Amino acid sequence: GESVGLHLPTLSVQEGDNSIINCAYSNSASDYFIWYKQESGKGPQFIIDIRSNMDKRQGQRVTVLLNKTVKHLSLQIAATQPGDSAVYFCAEKRPGGGNKLTFGTGTQLKVEL
Amino acid sequence: GAGVSQSPSNKVTEKGKDVELRCDPISGHTALYWYRQSLGQGLEFLIYFQGNSAPDKSGLPSDRFSAERTGGSVSTLTIQRTQQEDSAVYLCASSLDSWLGNTIYFGEGSWLTVV
Repeated sequence: GESVGLHLPTLSVQEGDNSIINCAYSNSASDYFIWYKQESGKGPQFIIDIRSNMDKRQGQRVTVLLNKTVKHLSLQIAATQPGDSAVYFCAEKRPGGGNKLTFGTGTQLKVEL
Repeated sequence: GAGVSQSPSNKVTEKGKDVELRCDPISGHTALYWYRQSLGQGLEFLIYFQGNSAPDKSGLPSDRFSAERTGGSVSTLTIQRTQQEDSAVYLCASSLDSWLGNTIYFGEGSWLTVV
């Protein structure tokens, strides 16, 4: 079936380096994408979103890139900090699904001091 | 309240018992969602309420699962005759409405353990 998935289950980076977390989606009709951060024992926290009519969106220290040609989404975190250690999920909204999100399985980001 | 509130935060129940999980969405949010997250897994959609419309129940795994939303605010997810495979974190979320782009905010979840 169609799904949203992540390329790397675990990503380790040095503090201060940039992190790139990737996500592949299979539904070409999806028109809205979101990245969530989930710390241990907590609910997912919204980071940044992007609509399908855009290919890049920037936030504070984070950038989301969308490549619709290859159905690929990435989250870039600049100057990664220990507090960025968490599981990151991408999620998509599909037309006709209301506001319902389909989530990938997540990538564990570990920041090494 | 300031955020989505869920209770209980932790629940241990015996196999075969019924459980009720409560969600209090952000004030003014008309859309409410329930998701389930098994250990180390992604989030699995269960059910979605939008205003007075009929809920989208397409994600409920069996007829042991049901949810209601009274008065367009608080929601209760009920699991009847719990099984061990029901053990998971049950996450509630809300958003202003179902319009594309309205941020969905999650609660901290209710951790359910069936023994």
